[in-house]
Amino acid sequence: EPEVTQTPSHQVTQMGQEVILRCVPISNHLYFYWYRQILGQKVEFLVSFYNNEISEKSEIFDDQFSVERPDGSNFTLKIRSTKLEDSAMYFCASRDVTGQGARSNQPQHFGDGTRLSIL
Amino acid sequence: AQKITQTQPGMFVQEKEAVTLDCTYDTSDQSYGLFWYKQPSSGEMIFLIYQGSYDEQNATEGRYSLNFQKARKSANLVISASQLGDSAMYFCAMREGWNDMRFGAGTRLTVKP
Repeated sequence: EPEVTQTPSHQVTQMGQEVILRCVPISNHLYFYWYRQILGQKVEFLVSFYNNEISEKSEIFDDQFSVERPDGSNFTLKIRSTKLEDSAMYFCASRDVTGQGARSNQPQHFGDGTRLSIL
Repeated sequence: AQKITQTQPGMFVQEKEAVTLDCTYDTSDQSYGLFWYKQPSSGEMIFLIYQGSYDEQNATEGRYSLNFQKARKSANLVISASQLGDSAMYFCAMREGWNDMRFGAGTRLTVKP
């Protein structure tokens, strides 16, 4: 079964450095997402991406963050000048939007996450 | 405003018994979808079950069923015949129309042998 893959599984970075988290969504999916989960807390929406542009973003997704689809397969999240509070699990997800009921009914398929630790 | 509410931070169930995990939601949209995800201790997010706002039947997927009460705006997950491997965090989520999915705070389920 096709799946969303994320690399690396664990990233350790010094505070103030830039990190790039990488994701390969499921190949025929058109909607891509990044979520964040601080340890022991809820899954928080960061950003969605459709048709090569940001579709929606949360208040968390400020100028420190950016997303890119550099080629036909990868979807990246860049965090500039990382802070201690950026330490979290970052999940990428993708969704198919074709077919009947595309408006609401397709689940998002999640990758296994990248655990980001800021020191 | 909180759109998805899971009022049970933790639940315990005896192996082989059924358990209900509560979820209430708030929306003024007519078209929305409700989802449940399982997050085991290994951290991945596993899609379990979906219920559409226009679906008249409650969704079922194997041992999972969704008790959808539209008027009460509740979408409780029922797990029948609990297994030790069901111990995990369970998240309820909602997507309104074309908007993006939002999650509840989660319920940690522990299955006792």
